[in-house]
Parts: sequence; structure tokens; C-alpha cells
Amino acid sequence: SAVISQKPSRDICQRGTSLTIQCQVDSQVTMMFWYRQQPGQSLTLIATANQGSEATYESGFVIDKFPISRPNLTFSTLTVSNMSPEDSSIYLCSVDSSGGYGYTFGSGTRLTVV
Amino acid sequence: KQEVTQIPAALSVPEGENLVLNCSFTDSAIYNLQWFRQDPGKGLTSLLLIQSSQREQTSGRLNASLDKSSGRSTLYIAASQPGDSATYLCATAGTASKLTFGTGTRLQVTL
Repeated sequence: SAVISQKPSRDICQRGTSLTIQCQVDSQVTMMFWYRQQPGQSLTLIATANQGSEATYESGFVIDKFPISRPNLTFSTLTVSNMSPEDSSIYLCSVDSSGGYGYTFGSGTRLTVV
Repeated sequence: KQEVTQIPAALSVPEGENLVLNCSFTDSAIYNLQWFRQDPGKGLTSLLLIQSSQREQTSGRLNASLDKSSGRSTLYIAASQPGDSATYLCATAGTASKLTFGTGTRLQVTL
């Protein structure tokens, strides 16, 4: 199955600033997915990122707040913009591994906004 | 809209016990169902993937079953160990390859 390297693993940020999270996959994949996990909650899909087109955002998430880049088939970034304490969450990227392995997730970015 | 529920929300068992975690979903039109493990503050580790045409999958001490018609899946853990302590999440894959996650079961295996 695919292996994903996600950075940073954690960060503490000041409100009003932005943080960019990176995910690098060891194989080419068509779609990459970005999730948010708020404290004590399950995962919620933020957006789906396809190479060469704009990301598709789920209800409740907008591009101005969570801009996504997908410059090639192995890499994507998610930026959390103009952060507030409510953005404190774990952010995870995911891909659908080929060969029937299902979905693989990055190790997550634990964000705390103060 | 798919809704996935997991019961129980939390479970504590002594080491060596066999246990069953439950997952139910409202929309049976799924492509597959996947069970994950999450350690505190960490990412997700895939445990088992069941395609919609399959009834069960096994990996070591883990066995997952799927009954699409009734909207249910179970994860059976045999001979539990303290290292099995984690949160277990099930997720269904529907259209556009989107995953819908359950609420999770927090498992504690005690010595």
C-alpha cells in the first residue's frame, strides 16, 4: 500500500496566522483527501484534491479558509488560514491505495491555536 | 446522507478476553468498509478492508464481518492484549471515493 509522509507532526500557532501542511506520497495517486478531526470527534472530510484542477470542498469548508494545492500526482498541501482556537484539531491527508489495500492515512498534524 | 454509528463508545476489558466492536451504517450502497486503529493524537492505521461483495476478512487476531443488507459490520478481536488499547474507527466508502467515519470505540485492555 501507499506510504504517506506528512509534515509537520504538530505545531502551536498564534491566532490570525496561517499554517501549511504537506503530504508526500511514495506513488502516484489520482485523488488525495484532507480530513479534520476535532478534539474528541471522528474524522470529517474537508476536501478532495485532484492534480490539475481545483479541489472540491465539502459543505462547511471554503477555499479561502483551507486553500489546497496539488502540483503533481505525489504531493499536496493544505493551508489553514487566519487561524482561531476553533481550528485546533488533527489534520490528516489520505489516499486510496491501489491493489485493494483501501485508504492510507498520513500520521497527522496536531494543530493548537493559541 | 450516510451515517455511521459505533457501539459501544468505550470498552474496558481484562487482558485475554475476546471482544466484539459494532459498526452500523444507514446507506447500504457502499463500495467497501474499512476498520482503522488510532492511537491518541496520532494518525490512522488500516486494519482490515472488506469489499462490498465480501462477507468477512481476517488478519491475525482480527476478524471483520460485513452484512450490507442490514447495514452492519463487526470487528472481532481475539485474546486481547494491552497493546490493543486504542480507538477503533470504521468507515464506509461511497460515491466519489469519499469515506464516512463512525464515531469510534475507545478500547482499554487492562492487565
